[in-house]
Amino acid sequence: GGSVGLHLPTLSVQEGDNSIINCAYSNSASDYFIWYKQESGKGPQFIIDIRSNMDKRQGQRVTVLLNKTVKHLSLQIAATQPGDSAVYFCAEIRIQGAQKLVFGQGTRLTINP
Amino acid sequence: KAGVTQTPRYLIKTRGQQVTLSCSPISGHRSVSWYQQTPGQGLQFLFEYFSETQRNKGNFPGRFSGRQFSNSRSEMNVSTLELGDSALYLCASRQTAYNEQFFGPGTRLTVL
Repeated sequence: GGSVGLHLPTLSVQEGDNSIINCAYSNSASDYFIWYKQESGKGPQFIIDIRSNMDKRQGQRVTVLLNKTVKHLSLQIAATQPGDSAVYFCAEIRIQGAQKLVFGQGTRLTINP
Repeated sequence: KAGVTQTPRYLIKTRGQQVTLSCSPISGHRSVSWYQQTPGQGLQFLFEYFSETQRNKGNFPGRFSGRQFSNSRSEMNVSTLELGDSALYLCASRQTAYNEQFFGPGTRLTVL
């Protein structure tokens, strides 16, 4: 059992604003979580990951927060740019004999000029 | 270093036919995973191969199969195609079991 789901299917923000994309998961046994970005016509691209023993991890303009109490994951993108427009997926790594990625449905982020 | 490549990029088949998709991983990567992406189901894991052995398998019927060659290139085959098999099939490679996966651009399969 267990699944990874997205709170919102679409999100629109103004260029320059910060955006927050949310994700809920149900399997507390996951070892770590990954955020991917998928642009039209391309495969998913790794953005950032976070291990289950961490609460926060920062990258370039991105921050991932993990709340294990409520099984919630979020991706914050600072100062959004037109190139940030894409579908964002969260995925969890479940170690069941071998690693397997379980993806959420995705959130489409649109940056308005 | 070249990325993951997938061929063909687009494919149109009819129901009942079979199809073979190809994936060339990044040089040095020994693990190849396959995913099916549809608007309704999202990204779903098909299987993973490592050093020519299937290491993990998702919940897909036996019509979906794959293999990996000694040069790490991988193929997946779908037999007796159904309309619901229309999807973007993504391949991803990584160096070992604990590294980041790199995805290819996918093969868009349309079943008529």
